[in-house]
Amino acid sequence: DADVTQTPRNRITKTGKRIMLECSQTKGHDRMYWYRQDPGLGLRLIYYSFDVKDINKGEISDGYSVSRQAQAKFSLSLESAIPNQTALYFCATSDRLGSTDTQYFGPGTRLTVL
Amino acid sequence: RKEVEQDPGPFNVPEGATVAFNCTYSNSASQSFFWYRQDCRKEPKLLMSVYSSGNEDGRFTAQLNRASQYISLLIRDSKLSDSATYLCVVNRGYGGSQGNLIFGKGTKLSVKP
Repeated sequence: DADVTQTPRNRITKTGKRIMLECSQTKGHDRMYWYRQDPGLGLRLIYYSFDVKDINKGEISDGYSVSRQAQAKFSLSLESAIPNQTALYFCATSDRLGSTDTQYFGPGTRLTVL
Repeated sequence: RKEVEQDPGPFNVPEGATVAFNCTYSNSASQSFFWYRQDCRKEPKLLMSVYSSGNEDGRFTAQLNRASQYISLLIRDSKLSDSATYLCVVNRGYGGSQGNLIFGKGTKLSVKP
């Protein structure tokens, strides 16, 4: 089984709808991240959480919110989806106690907002 | 200067060729350096960490030059399966967000038969 899972893997929705993307991990890592990837723009950080009580905005948090329900779960919400939020979304984890900052990624969610 | 800068390519090389990718970064406080590999529409996966002394993993060699803020990746004896996008990644290296990574936009490699 994959260490980092994301659901759904693909989603098509309409402008104005509320969408939740979910991420679960079995790696036992404290830190979790949400990124979006757009062609030509690379990976950009949306939100990150260093533990259950710690949530921080990344470089492009506007229009998004997150919830860290447990150490293993980190959800990303789009309260009112808009077309320019069409992108590939990745969840990632890293180990606070690790000697490096290596991040491990889930398989991604492809979101299309019409 | 962009935080992490890479030549986007594409690099089109024949099987068996040696190919090198370069990357520059702007944050002198960065302490961790990586190369990730990303296949089309897939998640990025760690290829190798990059250490000051340089390191090698099979056909792959990574080098770090802190003075020039420059990272390189050398791939020898290229295989068809090496075709992917290679992401240069550094950490922010300061404050509470020091664990956060900055990703380059990637260099695309295509290995041809």
